[in-house]
Parts: sequence; structure tokens; C-alpha cells
Amino acid sequence: EILLTQSPGTLSLSPGERATLSCRASQTVSSNYLAWYLQKPGQPPSLLIYGASSRATGIPDRFSGSGSGADFTLTITRLEPEDSAVYYCQYYGNLWTFGQGTKVEIK
Amino acid sequence: QVQLQESGPGLVKPSETLSLTCTVSGDSINNYFWSWVRQPAGKGLEWIGRVYISGSTTYNSSLKSRVTMSIDTSKNQFSLKLTSVTAADTAIYYCARGNPYIYFSLDVWGQGTTVTVSS
Repeated sequence: EILLTQSPGTLSLSPGERATLSCRASQTVSSNYLAWYLQKPGQPPSLLIYGASSRATGIPDRFSGSGSGADFTLTITRLEPEDSAVYYCQYYGNLWTFGQGTKVEIK
Repeated sequence: QVQLQESGPGLVKPSETLSLTCTVSGDSINNYFWSWVRQPAGKGLEWIGRVYISGSTTYNSSLKSRVTMSIDTSKNQFSLKLTSVTAADTAIYYCARGNPYIYFSLDVWGQGTTVTVSS
């Protein structure tokens, strides 16, 4: 079973800065099946990125995903206050596995 | 626009069975994989299992012995049953759509329903 480890646990940045979130799989995986979600307080998760680098419908280009093998990255440029959320990576390998999440705080 | 809505009791007694239903509106239940995901308060996401229109299921190995999922295409609904619940099963339960056209990403989520296990 694939395990996903996200780092850091919490990221505290100022508006306008860049956030770099990491997701490491316990073994090499297909990047096609790596997704990212964001979850704001009191809301369900929502899809940000699928296929490691494709933005979901309506997601601004400030959000980008990259990576291959076992290491994947979500980058958020020009941080805005509304980006404050918990971000999860997820892998599909006939079942769905989530990382433990990275909390992004905007100062 | 497809929407998902969870329904079911918000309070379940220990050792009893948790039963939830997710109603899909705005699109057919066909051609997608339907999942349940839960989230204890203040914690991360845990995938529970998925069901397909054929009735085939896959479950999280940690819950497999207690989980049953089913689907009713005539009602555009799918369901979750979790037996022998304990306080550790207290969580927000979400239903979600796994979309094979975008690598099975969970692209549509319900708002979630809070289930508390308590006597």
C-alpha cells in the first residue's frame, strides 16, 4: 500500500509570497494518479490538481503541480489571504490514499 | 451541475451500525466511481471505500471487515454501512465522485454529514 508523506506540516507566509508544498510517496508511483486538494475550514475538500500537474476547472494559474517518481510538489505563487487552507495530496492506485495534509497560514 | 448530498442519522450508539446514503443529482450515476471519505474533527482525510455501477466494491483494508457499500442506479444513490461502531468512528462523512476521465481524482464532493458515536 502506498503511503504519502507531506511536508511541512504548517507553512506560515505573507501575502504575495510563494508556497512550496511537498508530497513524497513510499515508492515510485505513476504521476497520472497524483492529485492535490484544498480544504478550507468548515468546507469539504475540493480538487485543485489532477494528473500531478493539470489544474482542475476554475483553478487559477497561481497553483501549479509538478513532480514524478516519488516526489511531488504543489506551488502556490503570489499568495492571497483566501489561500489559507489545508492542502492534501492523494494517490489513486485502485484505492485512494491521502497524505496527512499541509496547513498554509497567511500572515 | 452535479451535486452530492449525504443523509443519515447524526447519532449512532456504540456497537450499532452506521448507515448513510449519498444522493447524486445533476448527472447520471453511471460511468463514475463513488467513494466515501471521513474526517475526524481536526484530523486528516481517510478514504473508506468505493462502489461502481456494476456493484463492485473496494474498501480500505483497515475498515474492510466492517464496511459494506452498495449502489442503487434507479435512485441515483449509493450507500455506506459501517458495523460495530465505536467512538473512533465519530467523524464528518463525505461522499465523493471518482472521475476516471481525470485519473480517478475525486472531483465532486458532498458537503459532509457529521456522525457522532455515543450512547
